[in-house]
Amino acid sequence: AQKITQTQPGMFVQEKEAVTLDCTYDTSDQSYGLFWYKQPSSGEMIFLIYQGSYDEQNATEGRYSLNFQKARKSANLVISASQLGDSAMYFCAMRERTAGGTSYGKLTFGQGTILTVHP
Amino acid sequence: DADVTQTPRNRITKTGKRIMLECSQTKGHDRMYWYRQDPGLGLRLIYYSFDVKDINKGEISDGYSVSRQAQAKFSLSLESAIPNQTALYFCATSDPGQGAWETQYFGPGTRLLVL
Repeated sequence: AQKITQTQPGMFVQEKEAVTLDCTYDTSDQSYGLFWYKQPSSGEMIFLIYQGSYDEQNATEGRYSLNFQKARKSANLVISASQLGDSAMYFCAMRERTAGGTSYGKLTFGQGTILTVHP
Repeated sequence: DADVTQTPRNRITKTGKRIMLECSQTKGHDRMYWYRQDPGLGLRLIYYSFDVKDINKGEISDGYSVSRQAQAKFSLSLESAIPNQTALYFCATSDPGQGAWETQYFGPGTRLLVL
């Protein structure tokens, strides 16, 4: 089964509007971390935002916020006031604890969503 | 200056050739990773190292090897390159001291084309 699912291959949004990029995850661990990365056309991977499974409040970083619904196992990224520079591929990722449960291990990535911002 | 650097940034090679991709970091992180990215498949982990003496296989390690020469350096080798290893390769680092907040930071990527 997929650990991270991003169901939207592509999304379009008008400049200055808000957009939500979906991410659902699958884990049996109680302690895990969820991340969003941005990959512009130039190719680099840029860390955007983090949400811990025990965090009670949704994470926010500037225009980015993470809509975390633990019971539904979803961690959607919300971008407010979209800008042309937001056009990029966006990846959701999860990190669980390693086997043995004492430390955090590798990231598992979803397949990404391409966001296009129209002027 | 970039915290995580990768060399070369672009490489074209022929089937059967041995090539090495190098990664250096100035972040002082203990953990380093190599990923490959193929269109439609997201990023997949090739190898990772939690410290200088630790090397672990990821989900797609066949055809690859790695060397952790120092805390700051982690290189990926393709012993005999084949066309389906054409991809974008990323190095990443993280600091386990961040605990649950441990975040991976990526290098700029290396575009590899195997003819």
